[in-house]
Amino acid sequence: AQRVTQPEKLLSVFKGAPVELKCNYSYSGSPELFWYVQYSRQRLQLLLRHISRESIKGFTADLNKGETSFHLKKPFAQEEDSAMYYCALFPRGGSEKLVFGKGTKLTVNP
Amino acid sequence: DAGVIQSPRHEVTEMGQEVTLRCKPISGHDYLFWYRQTMMRGLELLIYFNNNVPIDDSGMPEDRFSAKMPNASFSTLKIQPSEPRDSAVYFCASRDRGRTGSGEQYFGPGTRLTVT
Repeated sequence: AQRVTQPEKLLSVFKGAPVELKCNYSYSGSPELFWYVQYSRQRLQLLLRHISRESIKGFTADLNKGETSFHLKKPFAQEEDSAMYYCALFPRGGSEKLVFGKGTKLTVNP
Repeated sequence: DAGVIQSPRHEVTEMGQEVTLRCKPISGHDYLFWYRQTMMRGLELLIYFNNNVPIDDSGMPEDRFSAKMPNASFSTLKIQPSEPRDSAVYFCASRDRGRTGSGEQYFGPGTRLTVT
């Protein structure tokens, strides 16, 4: 069965500090991984996908197939990064559903 | 494109009343998903459609919930009768399978439902 685990429900850092939001997955095939962000009372928006290997708002994420991880990183957190972050897995060749983690609420303190 | 559109944005109703949530997917998208988000349970997939046909409704909580997609540009999620535990934010999302088969979904702004 496919599963996405985000071990931290809450993460609090100070402005300017590095931040890493952890995501581990279980899937035997070749997945497509995403990070979605949800600012307070807004819609979920795509932040990153592993295929594009781009950096958005200073965030990067690398797919590590050996460790089955897709951690989200930013070297210098900003207050406007405070939001809920969801890691999601798409099991290519399997179900058409996205499998979401439970989410990590990031708070960046001034 | 205006993105995925949902209405109403907020709904307050009394227990026992019927509630209908509406969604307009992005034009050309062939998949539509309904999710429910609560503090306790996080984001849950309720049902999804492909080309207007319901494919998987295993996430629908009980018979009080029903969803339809009469055409490619409109879907409804109905709760009848509503209960206080149905209070949540309901999101609609759509997806274009396209050439790449990417799983990326585009979310609407959500409907915040409060049942008193």
